[in-house]
Amino acid sequence: QSALTQPASVSGSPGQSITISCTGTSSDVGRYNFVSWYQQHPGKAPKLMIYEGSKRPSGVSNRFSGSKSGNTASLTISGLQAEDEADYYCCSYAGSSTLVFGGGTKLTVL
Amino acid sequence: QVQLVQSGAEVKKPGASVKVSCQASGYTFTSYAIYWVRQAPGQRLEWMGWINTDDGNTIYSPRFQGRVTITRDTSATTAYMDLSSLTSEDTAVYYCSRPGGGWRLDDWGQGTLVTVSS
Repeated sequence: QSALTQPASVSGSPGQSITISCTGTSSDVGRYNFVSWYQQHPGKAPKLMIYEGSKRPSGVSNRFSGSKSGNTASLTISGLQAEDEADYYCCSYAGSSTLVFGGGTKLTVL
Repeated sequence: QVQLVQSGAEVKKPGASVKVSCQASGYTFTSYAIYWVRQAPGQRLEWMGWINTDDGNTIYSPRFQGRVTITRDTSATTAYMDLSSLTSEDTAVYYCSRPGGGWRLDDWGQGTLVTVSS
């Protein structure tokens, strides 16, 4: 069970859009529609932002959206705001009641 | 509201074991599993395992199989994560989490820092 692959860092200016990719395999991301995304600010617990690939929990801004193509899931944040600066992790169901996380991506708002 | 309150920070010596607790409130404890996720300093989130709080069945990550034991006490609405044979690489913040449907993790505890040092 290898970690999902994410870029180590991405950056963007306020108001811009950024996309974070999450590449897995045909055994996890590619097989199941159970990719979730978490935002984590320094010293804080993760917060669910997207689940089942593209669904937003109540209270999460519609600036956050998710998608998937093949073995790669993506998180897009539009209209970047300073408060979006955080680490982002993808997570996929990997069969047999197991989960696998990505390596994490540090988002910097310039 | 849903709350997951974890036990306090621990310092352990190499080779020892640690037991972290996660007390749940604000919902029916046995209706939701409890997951455990850890994060070493500056590192990624790592899924460790989960427990069906109703029947006590567990699933563990192969990476921790044989070293981790997750249990629960339904009368205390508390789940526990026991990790044995600690090394410095087990120094991390350990989180418990309550899932929603679709293999998502909706609610999280505040985290428990476990430091392994001689």
